[in-house]
Amino acid sequence: GAVVSQHPSWVICKSGTSVKIECRSLDFQATTMFWYRQFPKQSLMLMATSNEGSKATYEQGVEKDKFLINHASLTLSTLTVTSAHPEDSSFYICSALDRGLWGYTFGSGTRLTVV
Amino acid sequence: KQEVTQIPAALSVPEGENLVLNCSFTDSAIYNLQWFRQDPGKGLTSLLLIQSSQREQTSGRLNASLDKSSGRSTLYIAASQPGDSATYLCAAGDTGNQFYFGTGTSLTVIP
Repeated sequence: GAVVSQHPSWVICKSGTSVKIECRSLDFQATTMFWYRQFPKQSLMLMATSNEGSKATYEQGVEKDKFLINHASLTLSTLTVTSAHPEDSSFYICSALDRGLWGYTFGSGTRLTVV
Repeated sequence: KQEVTQIPAALSVPEGENLVLNCSFTDSAIYNLQWFRQDPGKGLTSLLLIQSSQREQTSGRLNASLDKSSGRSTLYIAASQPGDSATYLCAAGDTGNQFYFGTGTSLTVIP
């Protein structure tokens, strides 16, 4: 079945540094990928929609300069948290649509802790 | 904007019981509905995907139903096991390929 590989699975970084999270679709082409964030005891919230070869679309309230999204190929999308702060500590997860299966495949998620 | 609600927020049952998790959504014009499982500290695992034209999907001990007109979906788990303990999320998908997630039901199956 469709697989989305997300790395790293967890990362601890110092405040002020940047962190890059990668999502790769391993056996299908993902023209669109979605990035979600989940705070403790809350539901997943869509941050942005990433389209291959074009600028990402950000949800209201999400700072595009802070959360840089790049979708340079049909199999890779990256989320870079720039100048991370403790309040950015969260669970980040990507998903891609496999149109062949009509379903969404999710990455395994990245637990970011900013200290 | 689509709003998805899951009831109950937490559920604790003894092993072997059958149980039902509820999901409701405000906008019936959904493209599909998906149920996920999330283990602590782990990512999402897709359990069942129901297209808008379907009424239910089954996989093993799991059965998910969809009633668009009433804005409801249920996930039925038969003969629950301790390994079923996790948070279960439902998500309503729209035609723009966006999912709207509920807050989840935390399930604990007691041996």
